Amino acid sequence: QQQVKQSPQSLIVQKGGISIINCAYENTAFDYFPWYQQFPGKGPALLIAIRPDVSEKKEGRFTISFNKSAKQFSLHIMDSQPGDSATYFCAASNPVGGGADGLTFGKGTHLIIQP
Amino acid sequence: DTGVSQNPRHKITKRGQNVTFRCDPISEHNRLYWYRQTLGQGPEFLTYFQNEAQLEKSRLLSDRFSAERPKGSFSTLEIQRTEQGDSAMYLCASSRGLLYEQYFGPGTRLTVT
Repeated sequence: QQQVKQSPQSLIVQKGGISIINCAYENTAFDYFPWYQQFPGKGPALLIAIRPDVSEKKEGRFTISFNKSAKQFSLHIMDSQPGDSATYFCAASNPVGGGADGLTFGKGTHLIIQP
Repeated sequence: DTGVSQNPRHKITKRGQNVTFRCDPISEHNRLYWYRQTLGQGPEFLTYFQNEAQLEKSRLLSDRFSAERPKGSFSTLEIQRTEQGDSAMYLCASSRGLLYEQYFGPGTRLTVT
């Protein structure tokens, strides 16, 4: 059972455009939702994270939108740059609920920003 | 913070051999996590420690896998009698504690021939 479904699998965006990656989760106990960026041969790097008490969080060019009722969250990358080309993973966990502290990841989105 | 470090970065071993990986977390981070990542997939949670106590193990962690964190600082992950299906990137992450972000190391790439 895949608890976090991520789409699209791959995405091509022109430089300066908006990149949008979506995730949906099944476990209503999840209460922490981070996004990670991974370059080839490197470990995932934390980009931004949100908790369900807010519907949106913005850090620089990166924004998370969260819809608790739909059990969906998304990453928006504004003014996308070639250096943003990487694989992006959404994840979820429920540390507050006392459940598993380990992150459940989506399968990833391979993002290419064309110059 | 100097970041999470992992050694070795690459390991090639023959099927049936034992291997051990080391993870050094960010100093003062009391939680340490192990994940496994296969090509084209997201990381999968294996186990985690709070200080020296191993608090949770995934069903992915078969009895050939064992992890330790003897003094609440670095951790080791050992795989006994390796199989080709064990070939993957093994990632370590650390955090300050519950409700804090997890920071990942560069991983150890294991290839079982």
